[in-house]
Amino acid sequence: DAGITQSPRYKITETGRQVTLMCHQTWSHSYMFWYRQDLGHGLRLIYYSAAADITDKGEVPDGYVVSRSKTENFPLTLESATRSQTSVYFCASSPRQGHAEAFFGQGTRLTVV
Amino acid sequence: QKEVEQNSGPLSVPEGAIASLNCTYSDRVSQSFFWYRQYSGKSPELIMSIYSNGDKEDGRFTAQLNKASQYVSLLIRDSQPSDSATYLCAVNMTGGFKTIFGAGTRLFVKA
Repeated sequence: DAGITQSPRYKITETGRQVTLMCHQTWSHSYMFWYRQDLGHGLRLIYYSAAADITDKGEVPDGYVVSRSKTENFPLTLESATRSQTSVYFCASSPRQGHAEAFFGQGTRLTVV
Repeated sequence: QKEVEQNSGPLSVPEGAIASLNCTYSDRVSQSFFWYRQYSGKSPELIMSIYSNGDKEDGRFTAQLNKASQYVSLLIRDSQPSDSATYLCAVNMTGGFKTIFGAGTRLFVKA
């Protein structure tokens, strides 16, 4: 199906484990983003990517790693999960700079116990 | 001071009324402004974007921007129960990648 999809939708993991959240888009958008959403904080940018092999940090990058070997995929890895990383994670893509037309995936609800 | 501030609400309006949602931002050089709607348990959906001072209308939605006052608002005319959602204000500071989101305003439209 066309669009932007995230997997898994729900994940429970233990403190200290490595977790990878997947994001796949079929539009060939150049720009992709990872956000986390927490009550009272709104959406906060973790990492973004302007193209394959080009990534950069957002507001809250600590504890996260990203890669973008192909335009359509933008996985987010929590290297050693902590309880503070319990959140809803959204991947988004945009055809151009400035978020003029950002499209969001369905989100992944991650719980770290 | 947060970079983008919104009243968390909830804002409750009767069906058919005008809902007015407000947002202030701290960076004077901000260039692009967006309103997203987010239903409970769903992802944000872009509903309006505005780049210059004044009003921009799209159906029942009107976005208003006042850069001098660092203020952007969203008016929803003829509010419907289906408009009940959280509305996120987003500001792109320099035309780059770092769009900052407000925490959102919850809107309830009573039938």
